[in-house]
Amino acid sequence: GQQLNQSPQSMFIQEGEDVSMNCTSSSIFNTWLWYKQDPGEGPVLLIALYKAGELTSNGRLTAQFGITRKDSFLNISASIPSDVGIYFCAGQLRAGGTSYGKLTFGQGTILTVHP
Amino acid sequence: KAGVTQTPRYLIKTRGQQVTLSCSPISGHRSVSWYQQTPGQGLQFLFEYFSETQRNKGNFPGRFSGRQFSNSRSEMNVSTLELGDSALYLCASSFTGDTGELFFGEGSRLTVL
Repeated sequence: GQQLNQSPQSMFIQEGEDVSMNCTSSSIFNTWLWYKQDPGEGPVLLIALYKAGELTSNGRLTAQFGITRKDSFLNISASIPSDVGIYFCAGQLRAGGTSYGKLTFGQGTILTVHP
Repeated sequence: KAGVTQTPRYLIKTRGQQVTLSCSPISGHRSVSWYQQTPGQGLQFLFEYFSETQRNKGNFPGRFSGRQFSNSRSEMNVSTLELGDSALYLCASSFTGDTGELFFGEGSRLTVL
């Protein structure tokens, strides 16, 4: 099926450093979302983006919806140990019935933060 | 506000058996979606239900089915289990299912031997 290319696959950083990850697609989406998954848990929504070019922040997290609608990035500033987890980008093409409940996910970025 | 509840959390089955997984959405959410998560394929959309009707379906074989009850609770069933069905099955709920803002449960981890 359709895949999003998410990079990097993993990151090892020191506490306090900034983090950047991105996602690209060969086709457009009209919604981009970023989720975080902790071990033994389901993904949790971090940020949702609905307009091309939109830049949205949620605390130390900032995400942007690419102008071409084919990409998005997520930045985390001043990382802390609890930022550890797997970050997923997801796209939704809101096109009537084919979009209900359906997100296309990237493969995830595994983030490790060393104290 | 209680989150999405999935049962059972863990289960082990053998090839050829069938399994039923249950999901209770957040109160007031009428849309329930199911996803399969594996190391190789990642998160893959199975299907979505709203008001007891399946509105959307992913690319999975007919062995995978689901239903939704009038109280919005949902079940999914996998028949004739194969080794490759071993995965974390995640249920997600939302008010309408059309915004992408999904609330996921902790998942049911199925191991097929």
